Amino acid sequence: SAVISQKPSRDICQRGTSLTIQCQVDSQVTMMFWYRQQPGQSLTLIATANQGSEATYESGFVIDKFPISRPNLTFSTLTVSNMSPEDSSIYLCSVESGDYQETQYFGPGTRLLVL
Amino acid sequence: SQQGEEDPQALSIQEGENATMNCSYKTSINNLQWYRQNSGRGLVHLILIRSNEREKHSGRLRVTLDTSKKSSSLLITASRAADTASYFCATGDTGRRALTFGSGTRLQVQP
Repeated sequence: SAVISQKPSRDICQRGTSLTIQCQVDSQVTMMFWYRQQPGQSLTLIATANQGSEATYESGFVIDKFPISRPNLTFSTLTVSNMSPEDSSIYLCSVESGDYQETQYFGPGTRLLVL
Repeated sequence: SQQGEEDPQALSIQEGENATMNCSYKTSINNLQWYRQNSGRGLVHLILIRSNEREKHSGRLRVTLDTSKKSSSLLITASRAADTASYFCATGDTGRRALTFGSGTRLQVQP
């Protein structure tokens, strides 16, 4: 299995500001995924990040709002830009691992509160 | 987008009882995975079942998959208070690497 860390674990931010979330994996992985979990809800995919190419965003998510970097095979960042209270969520990164790259493992999440 | 529904949405049982959670999905899948989440923290991977498998066991967990009905169930036997958490199913859809999550079941195990 993959061991994933995220920074920060939580933050309280003012509206209009931006926050960059870091995701670090203990092994090289091709694809990394960013999900959002709004309060009391399930997880929704924001984007898929491959090293060396632009991230692929899901419907309803745009690069200007959620820019993603993927500088190498063990690291990615997600920025939540120009935040509003509606961005208050848990943000999680995940990677594929295992024998057939089927199992997805998740980081501990970043809990964001926007005031 | 949410693909699947899970039922029940919430389940409260006594320690020692079995808990069964159901998941339905809509598209063709390669696999289905179950996760546990404690109090809004990260997701813990429990078990993966492939589309050509019908049943899988891991400790006190038993997962079934019926691709004709597009449904799966997770059974936790002899539940413990520490099993209290939210449980999510997630499908690995054909042609897609990311997971599509169900709505989740909140399990409360009373000591």
